[in-house]
Amino acid sequence: GAGVSQSPRYKVTKRGQDVTLRCDPISSHATLYWYQQALGQGPEFLTYFNYEAQPDKSGLPSDRFSAERPEGSISTLTIQRTEQRDSAMYRCALNPAEAFFGQGTRLTVV
Amino acid sequence: GENVEQHPSTLSVQEGDSAVIKCTYSDSASNYFPWYKQELGKGPQLIIDIRSNVGEKKDQRIAVTLNKTAKHFSLHITETQPEDSAVYFCAAARPQGGSEKLVFGKGTKLTVNP
Repeated sequence: GAGVSQSPRYKVTKRGQDVTLRCDPISSHATLYWYQQALGQGPEFLTYFNYEAQPDKSGLPSDRFSAERPEGSISTLTIQRTEQRDSAMYRCALNPAEAFFGQGTRLTVV
Repeated sequence: GENVEQHPSTLSVQEGDSAVIKCTYSDSASNYFPWYKQELGKGPQLIIDIRSNVGEKKDQRIAVTLNKTAKHFSLHITETQPEDSAVYFCAAARPQGGSEKLVFGKGTKLTVNP
């Protein structure tokens, strides 16, 4: 399987609202990655964690985006003051090089 | 940074024919090249990958070739079947402190007609 469980599966929010997406690893794993996939596009790297450390957040589009993994397991991705261009599928993966991506959270900003 | 170009964007073949999808990359330091298959409503699934110390890798009906000099790599699917219909993504990554920060192509929608 994907190795991760993401919630919610679908989220519709009004522009300007904050949203938090969750990625819950099924088994423990050092790394956890977040990707954004716009409709008809390939996934784009957002950030990744090595346990609770976040060595690379270069893909976060703006300072409205932040991610946490405080205990090195569950991770959350928060988008503040959402904009319509944030509408996309957000996927996490423990190690994209080995396995599946999660089914993702489809975020729609209206 | 890395830039990955993928083509064609759509590909339609008859069942039993071969399909070839090509990608180019820009960063000569990239050394890992996976391919993903994404079916409708699902996340991308790794189907085959190649590292820069080999030129070709095969797994049953799928194969990937890599030309490091020309900075391109290709996915070959032989004896295509309708269940091969999906969007395929190539990606490239360079060694980066233990992480696999993948840069993806824009995808190829493959349709296999019965």
